[in-house]
Amino acid sequence: ETGVTQSPTHLIKTRGQQVTLRCSSQSGHNTVSWYQQALGQGPQFIFQYYREEENGRGNFPPRFSGLQFPNYSSELNVNALELDDSALYLCASSFVAAYYNEQFFGPGTRLTVL
Amino acid sequence: GNSVTQMEGPVTLSEEAFLTINCTYTATGYPSLFWYVQYPGEGLQLLLKATKADDKGSNKGFEATYRKETTSFHLEKGSVQVSDSAVYFCALVDQGAQKLVFGQGTRLTINP
Repeated sequence: ETGVTQSPTHLIKTRGQQVTLRCSSQSGHNTVSWYQQALGQGPQFIFQYYREEENGRGNFPPRFSGLQFPNYSSELNVNALELDDSALYLCASSFVAAYYNEQFFGPGTRLTVL
Repeated sequence: GNSVTQMEGPVTLSEEAFLTINCTYTATGYPSLFWYVQYPGEGLQLLLKATKADDKGSNKGFEATYRKETTSFHLEKGSVQVSDSAVYFCALVDQGAQKLVFGQGTRLTINP
């Protein structure tokens, strides 16, 4: 069974640029959630995708957008990067029918905005 | 809205000491509760969980009991090891939006 994978591992961008982060969900999972973890903080929910549709969104501006593909992999896109977007971006997959919605996390993508 | 509060860190202990990391929550309804661990340079790993009041989650010598009356889910371990050094996050599932709500994390360092 393959776990959740994310790419790239690290990324450096400059303010104003756009970035795309990728996530492959664990085998058998149909839901992907994205979280932003700033340095020294707990992860904050960005949004969730289920059946290729957004299924809930946290307190993030529209320049944070996403996609889910038929194979349940997902992308997180961030436009007009700001310095405060520097963070570890975590992807988590789950099988939505599970009662307690156990989510399995990937290793994350470390984004640095200069 | 729902929220999780953890004890302030960092926490530094000697090997074989007793560990408690406090966690309290605010939630509507009856959330499921989790402890996640993050080792340096890695993502989050589920350590243990409890899905209803009075449930005790346990794994790798760690335990936590879902206390509805005190809205708490404190993490304990009787004898810590150097390998337990990590950041620990308490979290709850917001059932309405299917999202995890995390505390701010507690950095634990165990000295030999």
